[in-house]
Amino acid sequence: ETGVTQSPTHLIKTRGQQVTLRCSSQSGHNTVSWYQQALGQGPQFIFQYYREEENGRGNFPPRFSGLQFPNYSSELNVNALELDDSALYLCASSLGQGYTFGSGTRLTVV
Amino acid sequence: AQKVTQAQTEISVVEKEDVTLDCVYETRDTTYYLFWYKQPPSGELVFLIRRNSFDEQNEISGRYSWNFQKSTSSFNFTITASQVVDSAVYFCALSRGSQGNLIFGKGTKLSVKP
Repeated sequence: ETGVTQSPTHLIKTRGQQVTLRCSSQSGHNTVSWYQQALGQGPQFIFQYYREEENGRGNFPPRFSGLQFPNYSSELNVNALELDDSALYLCASSLGQGYTFGSGTRLTVV
Repeated sequence: AQKVTQAQTEISVVEKEDVTLDCVYETRDTTYYLFWYKQPPSGELVFLIRRNSFDEQNEISGRYSWNFQKSTSSFNFTITASQVVDSAVYFCALSRGSQGNLIFGKGTKLSVKP
């Protein structure tokens, strides 16, 4: 049984650019959530997908968007990057009994 | 509104000491879940425990124990005989349902020195 895999592990982007982060869920997990963790803070919920449909969203602007694919892998897209988007982005998958987290993607916006 | 407060920002102990990490939560829901996660320097959140609001039994797992008290809205975590490998940031979290999104506290950084 594989865990949650995220790619890339580190990324540097310029303000105004767009970025796509990827997540492979744990085998069989049909729910995936994305979290943003700023330095020294707890993770903040961005959104959640269940069977390819968004079924929950936190307090993030529309330039944060996502997709979940039939194999339950997922993408997080962020448009028009801002300096404050610099953070660790965590993906978590679930099958109803709690969440398994990946190691995250460290995004730096310069 | 739901909220999790971890008042201790950083704790430093010497190996073999016992340490308790505090967690206070706020929610108007009658059904909710509480979690503890460990985040080592590598970044991933490691699941430690999930407790639902109807189960107030304390739990012990090896050197780890959890004290859930609904009367004070607290879900504290104790590590007995701490070890250097326990050094990490620990997060308490709350969710509405078993599949609901997690609301995290700001975390407590635990440093265990040899």
